[in-house]
Amino acid sequence: AQSVTQLGSHVSVSEGALVLLRCNYSSSVPPYLFWYVQYPNQGLQLLLKYTTGATLVKGINGFEAEFKKSETSFHLTKPSAHMSDAAEYFCAVRFGSSGDKLTFGTGTRLAVRP
Amino acid sequence: NAGVTQTPKFRILKIGQSMTLQCAQDMNHNYMYWYRQDPGMGLKLIYYSVGAGITDKGEVPNGYNVSRSTTEDFPLRLELAAPSQTSVYFCASSPEGGELFFGEGSRLTVL
Repeated sequence: AQSVTQLGSHVSVSEGALVLLRCNYSSSVPPYLFWYVQYPNQGLQLLLKYTTGATLVKGINGFEAEFKKSETSFHLTKPSAHMSDAAEYFCAVRFGSSGDKLTFGTGTRLAVRP
Repeated sequence: NAGVTQTPKFRILKIGQSMTLQCAQDMNHNYMYWYRQDPGMGLKLIYYSVGAGITDKGEVPNGYNVSRSTTEDFPLRLELAAPSQTSVYFCASSPEGGELFFGEGSRLTVL
């Protein structure tokens, strides 16, 4: 079955430290990949997406993600965390057989310590 | 540009009551979706639509119904509300093959 796995439901980093949020998917066909961010009591906003082309994708707010086909991964990184990055992050995948539907991971809540 | 608008933002229902969550988008997107979000569970797809007059079930459709009479509107109907339907509901829209744009959510409590 096609699935999306986010390792770590809670991640805590110090301000200025590297942020690494992990996402793996199960599919034999390269899918379209997305990262969304959700701030408290708000809807989801797109951070970045991979469809085709360059495997390193840059998004908003200094985030980037790299699609690694051999590892079926799409981890999200940011070199230096800021207090305003505290939010919940969702990896989402559009599998080729699912039409336009997105399958979401269970989310990772990022806390940033001063 | 309003994007995706959901109403109401908050609602408390008694068990067995019915209600409709409204969703409207002004981006002329053909695709629209309803998700529910529960703590630690991510988002689960309830229903989706690929255009006016066309709807289909998602992963968790039981207890819900939808209609799509226009491109802009995609209401979600809850019949005979149950405590298990306590959740945050998100409507989203997208162009074909594009990213999803989300509304701000509707928080529903069933007591």
